[in-house]
Amino acid sequence: QVQLVQSGAEVKKPGASVKVSCKTSGYTFTSNFLHWVRQAPGQGLEWMGVIIPGGGSTSYAQKLRGRVTMTRDMSTSTVYMELSSLTSEDTAVYYCAREDGDYGRRTFDVWGQGTMVTVSS
Amino acid sequence: DIQLTQSPASLSASVGDRVTITCRASQSISNYLNWYQQKPGNAPKVLIYAASSLQSGVPPRFSGSGSGTDFTLTISGLQPEDFATYYCQQTYSTPRTFGQGTKVEIK
Repeated sequence: QVQLVQSGAEVKKPGASVKVSCKTSGYTFTSNFLHWVRQAPGQGLEWMGVIIPGGGSTSYAQKLRGRVTMTRDMSTSTVYMELSSLTSEDTAVYYCAREDGDYGRRTFDVWGQGTMVTVSS
Repeated sequence: DIQLTQSPASLSASVGDRVTITCRASQSISNYLNWYQQKPGNAPKVLIYAASSLQSGVPPRFSGSGSGTDFTLTISGLQPEDFATYYCQQTYSTPRTFGQGTKVEIK
């Protein structure tokens, strides 16, 4: 079955960077976009960006541009999200999610289990 | 960017009630609207896609309607397992924005 398995929880100091991985399995890696979504404690879902695994193209949320980088490793079917210059406002659960379907039928149909990133001095 | 405004932000309801949540888009998004359910500690789960299509495995008490800018999610006969937070999401354009969520609590 389709699975997205994320790396474990991280604790970082302000100003540091964090890199979260999302290993995919159960489908053709290049067939679907992969998105990153984060959720601060007690808050809603915030879309961060997307990577197209086939060519590596990316699109990022405007508020994160310059701090976020999404990459992929074709040999392991894994995508990565790196966020730099961390502040306490980046404390959140980070999810990867697969987009499936065409046109009006697009959904985030499979999600990773989430990775808690805590930024604290 | 397309903004999605959900209402209400929270509601209290009893088992068996009919519940309606609305989502308004800042511009027309045709039927490119999904609904997700999220329970504490879990990732969101898609309930409705393309505004009104029921995702496989989702109970038929969940239904969606709307097109253009105005959408609704209805739960007909609320069950104990339905107490959760619900989000709308548009996939008409990037960024794939979410509504701010509606928390459904037990009355």
